[in-house]
Parts: sequence; structure tokens; C-alpha cells
Amino acid sequence: GAGVSQSPRYKVAKRGQDVALRCDPISGHVSLFWYQQALGQGPEFLTYFQNEAQLDKSGLPSDRFFAERPEGSVSTLKIQRTQQEDSAVYLCASGPGPGHEQYFGPGTRLTVT
Amino acid sequence: EDQVTQSPEALRLQEGESSSLNCSYTVSGLRGLFWYRQDPGKGPEFLFTLYSAGEEKEKERLKATLTKKESFLHITAPKPEDSATYLCAVQHQAGTALIFGKGTTLSVSS
Repeated sequence: GAGVSQSPRYKVAKRGQDVALRCDPISGHVSLFWYQQALGQGPEFLTYFQNEAQLDKSGLPSDRFFAERPEGSVSTLKIQRTQQEDSAVYLCASGPGPGHEQYFGPGTRLTVT
Repeated sequence: EDQVTQSPEALRLQEGESSSLNCSYTVSGLRGLFWYRQDPGKGPEFLFTLYSAGEEKEKERLKATLTKKESFLHITAPKPEDSATYLCAVQHQAGTALIFGKGTTLSVSS
């Protein structure tokens, strides 16, 4: 079956622009996560959804970051007024439920110039 | 504070030269410890989950073990295609987010 897909794979934004990153999870997975990965580092947690409910957003670095999953499937991570420090790979992961393994997509590499 | 430390940062092996990667963790209540493999430009690929001390899991040339303070990923007779970054992550009992270490970058030469 298809894995987690993310689009776009690469995004270049000028400082101050808004961006939207899309995640298509594995069909039937109730858990969906967003992580941020800087070069040479492990992924860092941003936010978690169970179906359409955002149960944990403690990792979002500022109120410029916003995530949604309105129908419990596709999710979008939006970053407003991008800054250079937002440059990173944004990874989406889905899983069958809390406590289970998470399956990652290929990531979106965001570069803010 | 929950923390994961992986060592070494980088490891170079000859094909067939077995070794181990270490993952030390501190977490107030472990729900599970996860190992992932990450190739350049790709997302992490799930390898193993370990839930309790003494548990072991194997997959091809890889074997993961868990104690109360650390986990080891043993690589037996590695091949060049095993070259990748190996990430360790813990999940707190009360949470769902994974807390990752920085990874060990393994290079296997023929």
C-alpha cells in the first residue's frame, strides 16, 4: 500500500511569505504527527492529531505555526511570515494509534531566503 | 527532562566488521523505545519497537536490545547497503510524541 506522502518536496520562500505544507497519511491511520528536522539533528516534535482533533501542539515554536486536519485525513502545516530560522525539513508521520510505531513521509525541505 | 543520547556520532566499518550503536535515555516512564533508519534526503524508516527491559528484536543483520537505561543496535556482518543514519527515539508513557537522539551515521565500505 501507499506510504505517507508530502508535498511539495522542496519549497523556497522569501522571508515574510506564508507557506503551506501538505501531508497525506497512510489510509486508516488515526494518529498524525508533524516534526521539524534541522541538518545533522534528530526530528523534533511539533504537533499531534488524533483523527481531526489536535491533542498536542506543545512543540510549535511560535504562533506563526498552525496545523489542521479538518476531516481526519489530510493535514496541512502552515507557517506565516516565514523567518530564516524556519529553514528545515518538515516531516509528517502517521500511525495506527497512540503508543504504536510512526511511519514517516519523505519530508518537505523548506528554505527561507 | 526526557533525553536521548546516541553514540558514537559517526562509525566507519569494513564490510563484515560487526559493531554496536548505543542509545542512552532518561525518561520518567518509558512507553516504548524506537529505532529508525534514515537515508539522505528521505524520511526515517521504522525498524523496531522495544517496550520492556530484556526485550530483543531482530531483522536481517540488525538486532536491538533494551535495558532500563540504554538500548543497543547490533549490526552483524554489515554490508555497504547498511550505510545510513540510525535514529533512536523514546516515547513517554503519558505522551505520543517521539523524542529523538541526534543519530549515529554508519558508513560501511567494501
